Amino acid sequence: EDQVTQSPEALRLQEGESSSLNCSYTVSGLRGLFWYRQDPGKGPEFLFTLYSAGEEKEKERLKATLTKKESFLHITAPKPEDSATYLCAVQGGTGGGNKLTFGTGTQLKVEL
Amino acid sequence: EPEVTQTPSHQVTQMGQEVILRCVPISNHLYFYWYRQILGQKVEFLVSFYNNEISEKSEIFDDQFSVERPDGSNFTLKIRSTKLEDSAMYFCASTRGQNTEAFFGQGTRLTVV
Repeated sequence: EDQVTQSPEALRLQEGESSSLNCSYTVSGLRGLFWYRQDPGKGPEFLFTLYSAGEEKEKERLKATLTKKESFLHITAPKPEDSATYLCAVQGGTGGGNKLTFGTGTQLKVEL
Repeated sequence: EPEVTQTPSHQVTQMGQEVILRCVPISNHLYFYWYRQILGQKVEFLVSFYNNEISEKSEIFDDQFSVERPDGSNFTLKIRSTKLEDSAMYFCASTRGQNTEAFFGQGTRLTVV
């Protein structure tokens, strides 16, 4: 069974204070690792897909990296509008199903 | 920008009643999904649908649940005889293909009383 563990559960940063969120996973045959942002009461908003170890993706202040066991979401010089819950999800297995298995998320709060 | 739309945004229903949650996936997407998120918990997979049939379902998706694509644009989730524990946020999602990113709707908050 695919499993995703995210840490920390919550993170409070000052504006401009860079940090990293961790996503550890166990999956039989990783087909993709996905990062989403979720605002309160809203649906997950797609950020990145990573497919193989060593891959990196960047978007504005966010950078996602992938190893064989974990992924990191690096946030550089965050702003208050980056406050949200960041979700990691994996798609695995060889059966052809497309389901995503999510972690519980990291709740990020960026303060002025 | 294309988006997944869900209606209603909030539904309150009596225990034992049937509800239908509606979704319009992104028009050129081929795979459709329902997920749910109980308050304070993780997003959980319910079912995936492709080529007019269920391709995968979770243990949560038991006989009280059903899905349908009644026409070329809508995708519905029916919950028969709702229970208190069905109270959750239900998200519809769609993907263009396999191994591609899923785009989620804004959700329907279902409250069973």
